[in-house]
Amino acid sequence: EDKVVQSPLSLVVHEGDTVTLNCSYEVTNFRSLLWYKQEKKAPTFLFMLTSSGIEKKSGRLSSILDKKELFSILNITATQTGDSAIYLCAVTTNAGKSTFGDGTTLTVKP
Amino acid sequence: NAGVMQNPRHLVRRRGQEARLRCSPMKGHSHVYWYRQLPEEGLKFMVYLQKENIIDESGMPKERFSAEFPKEGPSILRIQQVVRGDSAAYFCASSRRLAPGSYNEQFFGPGTRLTVL
Repeated sequence: EDKVVQSPLSLVVHEGDTVTLNCSYEVTNFRSLLWYKQEKKAPTFLFMLTSSGIEKKSGRLSSILDKKELFSILNITATQTGDSAIYLCAVTTNAGKSTFGDGTTLTVKP
Repeated sequence: NAGVMQNPRHLVRRRGQEARLRCSPMKGHSHVYWYRQLPEEGLKFMVYLQKENIIDESGMPKERFSAEFPKEGPSILRIQQVVRGDSAAYFCASSRRLAPGSYNEQFFGPGTRLTVL
C-alpha cells in the first residue's frame, strides 16, 4: 500500500529561525511529489517535484526531492508568523493516484 | 480508528450519466471538504459542509454539481450529466468542529478517481 510519512508532526520555532520539514514515501510508480500549505480553508499549492536533485525555490521557501532515498524536504528560511500553518506532502503515481501525508503543523512565535 | 473513507475508489461513467461519490469522515469529525484534482494540477477546493449544512460552496461549478452531508450517513458529491472534463480525482477531507483561532487540520481520504468515457 502506498504510504507518505511526514515529520515532525509539529514544530514550534521563533521568527527568524530556519525550519526543515520532511516527507518520505513508499509508492509504486512514482510520478510527482507536491507540497501544500494549509491554513484556515483549503491547502495552497507550493511546489511540484518530479526530478531528483533539482531545487525549487519560491521566496524563502525551497524544496528538493531525492528519488533514490525516497524523500523530500521543504525548507523555510527566516520564518515569519505568517508561515504558521500545516504543511502537507502528497505523492502521485503514474496511475494518477495521490496519497497525502498527515501534515506537519508549524507554529512560528514572534 | 479508521481514517477518512471514500468509495468507490474508481468510477467509470459515460457522458450524460450521473456520478455519486461518497465520503465517510473520521470518527468524531463533523466537517467535510471536497476537492478536485485535475491531472498535473494541485487540489482545488469545491465545497465545505457540516452535517445538514453547506458552509462554503464557492468552489463548486454552478451547474450539475451538488453536495450534501446528511445527519446520518456519508457525505455525497453528486455530478449530473457528466462530461469528459469532469474526469479527475475527487478527494474528501474531514476535520473536527473548529475552535476559534485554530488551524483547520484536515485529514484526507484516498480519493475517488472518476473517468468519463
